[in-house]
Amino acid sequence: DQQVKQNSPSLSVQEGRISILNCDYTNSMFDYFLWYKKYPAEGPTFLISISSIKDKNEDGRFTVFLNKSAKHLSLHIVPSQPGDSAVYFCAASTGGGADGLTFGKGTHLIIQP
Amino acid sequence: EPEVTQTPSHQVTQMGQEVILRCVPISNHLYFYWYRQILGQKVEFLVSFYNNEISEKSEIFDDQFSVERPDGSNFTLKIRSTKLEDSAMYFCASNIAGGDYEQYFGPGTRLTVT
Repeated sequence: DQQVKQNSPSLSVQEGRISILNCDYTNSMFDYFLWYKKYPAEGPTFLISISSIKDKNEDGRFTVFLNKSAKHLSLHIVPSQPGDSAVYFCAASTGGGADGLTFGKGTHLIIQP
Repeated sequence: EPEVTQTPSHQVTQMGQEVILRCVPISNHLYFYWYRQILGQKVEFLVSFYNNEISEKSEIFDDQFSVERPDGSNFTLKIRSTKLEDSAMYFCASNIAGGDYEQYFGPGTRLTVT
């Protein structure tokens, strides 16, 4: 039962170019979405989030786009830097109270010099 | 910058033994969570805790698991009788107000059950 899907296990991008990571969800009750970055042997680090009332949120090099009708969100990183190489997780919640996050399986982003 | 801390970083235990994983959430946060990640799989929600009681729990969080906030700073996860399949990374997280607020994660405890 994959309510949050990240269909690309890995993605390779050249340094300086745009990285686009995609995420789809099936649960229409989700109304808050987050992206986390994770290095090996560390916990997930919060990157950026978006509420369902918005379709875009930007923070420096990171922009998240939400298409509610398609139940799809994407994370854009521009320009990509070597330190961006990590596993990126998409997560979602229904936004109520102490709701646990539902995570995707992650996309391993590799930034090539 | 405040951060969530977890101890120990690695715990090895024998099947059937009890383990306690410890977390210190960010000090002004009110909501606390435990997640686990089995090797090669996704991060899975276990339980959330607010106002000294469990708020929500997943199907994974059965009777062998319990959580406690024994004092004003620690948040613990106890596994009563460990099984081989409990081997995983366990992450603690906290946020300031639940709902539409980002959760901040600790570095994790790697639990190995032999």
